Amino acid sequence: NAGVTQTPKFRVLKTGQSMTLLCAQDMNHEYMYWYRQDPGMGLRLIHYSVGEGTTAKGEVPDGYNVSRLKKQNFLLGLESAAPSQTSVYFCASKISGFSYEQYFGPGTRLTVT
Amino acid sequence: GDSVTQMEGPVTLSEEAFLTINCTYTATGYPSLFWYVQYPGEGLQLLLKATKADDKGSNKGFEATYRKETTSFHLEKGSVQVSDSAVYFCALSSPGGYNKLIFGAGTRLAVHP
Repeated sequence: NAGVTQTPKFRVLKTGQSMTLLCAQDMNHEYMYWYRQDPGMGLRLIHYSVGEGTTAKGEVPDGYNVSRLKKQNFLLGLESAAPSQTSVYFCASKISGFSYEQYFGPGTRLTVT
Repeated sequence: GDSVTQMEGPVTLSEEAFLTINCTYTATGYPSLFWYVQYPGEGLQLLLKATKADDKGSNKGFEATYRKETTSFHLEKGSVQVSDSAVYFCALSSPGGYNKLIFGAGTRLAVHP
């Protein structure tokens, strides 16, 4: 099992450009999450999904969109990147609502210039 | 809203020293509490958890006790190793709300030989 994988690992964007971050998990988990990690602020939840075809807003959703068309994939989109979106993005998954442990991917480092 | 506060780092120790990283929380109801660890260049991994008051979570020599009266979940280890150098995050998950994790800012630990 690969666990949770994220693509790409690094990316540099210019202000106004768009991109999609891909998260994939091979553990048949129902729940998936996108976080951003900024220095001194821990991880903050952007969006999450409790099953295929569902998405919901987290703590800091503005400027991001997500889709969960397949159970194993959770996509995070930036339609018009801004320097404030420079961050490290982590995807996580969890088997169900009754489980405590979230499994994290290795992260994507995004720089917006 | 719910929040987690943990001691600022970095914490610098010599090998075999005693470690304490303080964590306090604010939450309505009875949250579950976690410590996650992030090794350099990697995603977060669950280190230990406690799901009710007075529970003690333990793993790899680390321990933390859920203290409801002081709303704390301090991380301790009796003898740290160089390989324990990492960033440690305290987190909580409140009942309901799809078990979203709320993280503290993280504490960097550096252990020197």
